[in-house]
Amino acid sequence: DVVLTQTPVSLSVTLGDQASISCRSSQSLEYSDGYTYLEWYLQKPGQSPQLLIYGVSNRFSGVPDRFIGSGSGTDFTLKISRVEPEDLGVYYCFQATHDPLTFGSGTKLEIK
Amino acid sequence: EVKLQQSGDELVRPGASVKMSCKASGYTFTDYAMHWVKQSPGQGLEWIGTIIPLIDTTSYNQKFKGKATLTADKSSNTAYMELSRLTSEDSAVYYCARRDYGYNYFDYWGQGVMVTVSS
Repeated sequence: DVVLTQTPVSLSVTLGDQASISCRSSQSLEYSDGYTYLEWYLQKPGQSPQLLIYGVSNRFSGVPDRFIGSGSGTDFTLKISRVEPEDLGVYYCFQATHDPLTFGSGTKLEIK
Repeated sequence: EVKLQQSGDELVRPGASVKMSCKASGYTFTDYAMHWVKQSPGQGLEWIGTIIPLIDTTSYNQKFKGKATLTADKSSNTAYMELSRLTSEDSAVYYCARRDYGYNYFDYWGQGVMVTVSS
């Protein structure tokens, strides 16, 4: 199975500062069709996960442009600029390139 | 408005089975795959498997083969997951999530079903 390693495990950020989360894959996530099936989800406390980013760097509808996804191959990053109170929760990367589909272990974002 | 309404929380005995539902509304049920995800207490997310309602095809994470059975009823726009031979390891929240074929992402999630396995 593809292992997605997220770092850091937790992150404490001052409001207005930038946060950066890394997701490293044990295998390349570029599929034979050239697409990279790497997504980012945020699970706010007590809620279901919600989509932030798909295809490495595409923001889902309604997601603020403060959220920026980047990367290729096995290394991916989610940057959140100007962190706001509603950004707190656990962030998961997810890959759908290889079967079985797998999630990263999560990064908990706390507000200082 | 797209909505995935899951059935209520369950308390079940070890060794028993449980079947939960995910009723879809606000879109054409057969236009999307339905996936299921497990979240153990205080833990991360695990992909269980998927069903394509249009052709009644399923695909499972090997880890959940024999544990989870996915079905769908096109007449009621409802997806189901049955978990069998329950143990304490199955105590978790289970989510259904719609996956878009074209863009390939989970854009809508159910609210989750908490399953507690206890005698």
